[in-house]
Formats: sequence, structure tokens, C-alpha cells
Amino acid sequence: GESVGLHLPTLSVQEGDNSIINCAYSNSASDYFIWYKQESGKGPQFIIDIRSNMDKRQGQRVTVLLNKTVKHLSLQIAATQPGDSAVYFCAENTGAQKLVFGQGTRLTINP
Amino acid sequence: EADIYQTPRYLVIGTGKKITLECSQTMGHDKMYWYQQDPGMELHLIHYSYGVNSTEKGDLSSESTVSRIRTEHFPLTLESARPSHTSQYLCASSGLAGGRRNEQYFGPGTRLTVT
Repeated sequence: GESVGLHLPTLSVQEGDNSIINCAYSNSASDYFIWYKQESGKGPQFIIDIRSNMDKRQGQRVTVLLNKTVKHLSLQIAATQPGDSAVYFCAENTGAQKLVFGQGTRLTINP
Repeated sequence: EADIYQTPRYLVIGTGKKITLECSQTMGHDKMYWYQQDPGMELHLIHYSYGVNSTEKGDLSSESTVSRIRTEHFPLTLESARPSHTSQYLCASSGLAGGRRNEQYFGPGTRLTVT
């Protein structure tokens, strides 16, 4: 079936460094992708999205890259801060207004 | 900040009890969703609704049921809770009424423990 997966379950970076979280998706027909951040005890929160007709989109300290050739999505966080510690999920819109979520990567920021 | 609410936030209940998890949103969204999530793991869609009187089962089989009598309200019911139902339940909504069309806004979740 359709799936969206992440390469690494955990990632630790030093405060101030940049971090990159990766995601592989399987449905080449997916037209929209979202990165969510989930802090402990909370629901997922939107970070940034990208449509399939784009290959890069930038937000505040975050950049999403989309490589449709290899069906790969990444989230780059610049100058990480303690508040960036969370689990990050990628999700793809496979149609019919439904999202398929990946397994999640736990990002830990070391002081 | 998304205007989507879930109650209760935490629930510990004995086996065999009937429970209803509440979810309400004030954004006028037509689509609503229920996900089940084990700690730190991916979200699994268990129910969704595209509007009033519309409900569908999601990708993960669940013994729970849902109803959508009002646009803003999407409760989930377990007729007889079992320990295997222990999990976090997340409600979400999306729609054309403001925001990004396909973005789902999530509530804070209900952490259910069945003893």
C-alpha cells in the first residue's frame, strides 16, 4: 500500500547547527506534501508545505526540498534551537483530501 | 493557533466500559479526521468525514465508531473498551474555510488508557 517513511528514527544535533530530516514517499501521484512538528503531549503542528510543481520552498529557518525523481522530501532547519526538539513527520496528499504520514523522526537538540 | 478541541485530554477507564471522545472545531471546516497514534510513532487514520452525515473508515481497522451530525462536532465512540485500545487519539480538520486547503489542523489529542 501507500507509505511515507523516514530514514532515521532519531537525530541529535548541537544547538546552533543545521539539521536535515529526510523522508521517502512511494506514491508518485502525490501532489502535495506537508511537514508537521509534534511536541510532547501535543497534536502535530504545521511547519511548511510544498506542492509537486515545486522543488524548494523556504520559510522562517526552515526549507523543504522535494526531489520527485527519487521520491524524496527533506526538511532543513537552520540554527537549531532547544524549542526545535520534537518529533517531525512528513505527510503526503495522495488524493481525496487524505494524508499519509511517515514514521516520524525525533530531533534532539544538545546544548 | 488552530481552533480544534478535544476532551478529555486524559482518560483511564476499565475494560468493558463505553467511552466517547469528543472533538469540536470552530473553523467551519467540512472535513474531519480521527487518527490513532502510539507514542512517537506514525499517525494511522481510523475514521474521516467529508461533511455532515458522511463518515468513512480509514486505513487502520478500528472497533470504534463515529458520527457527524453537526459540522463542528465529530465524536468517536468505543462501545466496550479493551486494553488493546490504549493509545493516543488525535482529531483533525481541514477545509476551504481559511488556511491551506489540504492542511489538517490537529487537536491536542486524548490519551486513553484501558486497564
